[in-house]
Amino acid sequence: EPEVTQTPSHQVTQMGQEVILRCVPISNHLYFYWYRQILGQKVEFLVSFYNNEISEKSEIFDDQFSVERPDGSNFTLKIRSTKLEDSAMYFCASREGFTGITNYGYTFGSGTRLTVV
Amino acid sequence: AQKITQTQPGMFVQEKEAVTLDCTYDTSDQSYGLFWYKQPSSGEMIFLIYQGSYDEQNATEGRYSLNFQKARKSANLVISASQLGDSAMYFCAMRERSTGNQFYFGTGTSLTVIP
Repeated sequence: EPEVTQTPSHQVTQMGQEVILRCVPISNHLYFYWYRQILGQKVEFLVSFYNNEISEKSEIFDDQFSVERPDGSNFTLKIRSTKLEDSAMYFCASREGFTGITNYGYTFGSGTRLTVV
Repeated sequence: AQKITQTQPGMFVQEKEAVTLDCTYDTSDQSYGLFWYKQPSSGEMIFLIYQGSYDEQNATEGRYSLNFQKARKSANLVISASQLGDSAMYFCAMRERSTGNQFYFGTGTSLTVIP
């Protein structure tokens, strides 16, 4: 079964450093997402991406965050200057196309656990 | 107002028994979808079951069923014949047509299956 692949599975970075989280969505998918889960809390939407541009973003997704799809395969989330409160599990997700409200084709990756020290 | 409310931070169930995890939701959309995800200690999000707002029958997937009560805006997950491997966090989530299909998640319920 096709998978959304995220690398690395765990990343430790120093406060103030830039970090890039990588995702390889399923190949025929068109919509891409990043979600965040701070330890012990609920999963929160960060951003959605379609047709090489951001289609929606949440209040969490401030100027410190950026996304891009540099090569038609990878989908990356960059945090420019990490803060301690950026420590969280980051999930990438993708879906095939407009499937209405169904779950069909909406797949989460296994997550990257980011620890800022 | 919270879009998704899960009022049970932790639940225990005896192996082979059934358990119900509660979820209520808030939306003014007519078209929406309700989902349950399982998150084991390893962290990945595993899709369990989906219920559409127009579906007249409750969704079922193997040992999982969703008790959908639209008027009460509840979408409880029922796990029958619990297994030790069911021990995990369970998240209820919703997508609405009006908000671009992003997921809204609840705070989760930690389920522990006791042998």
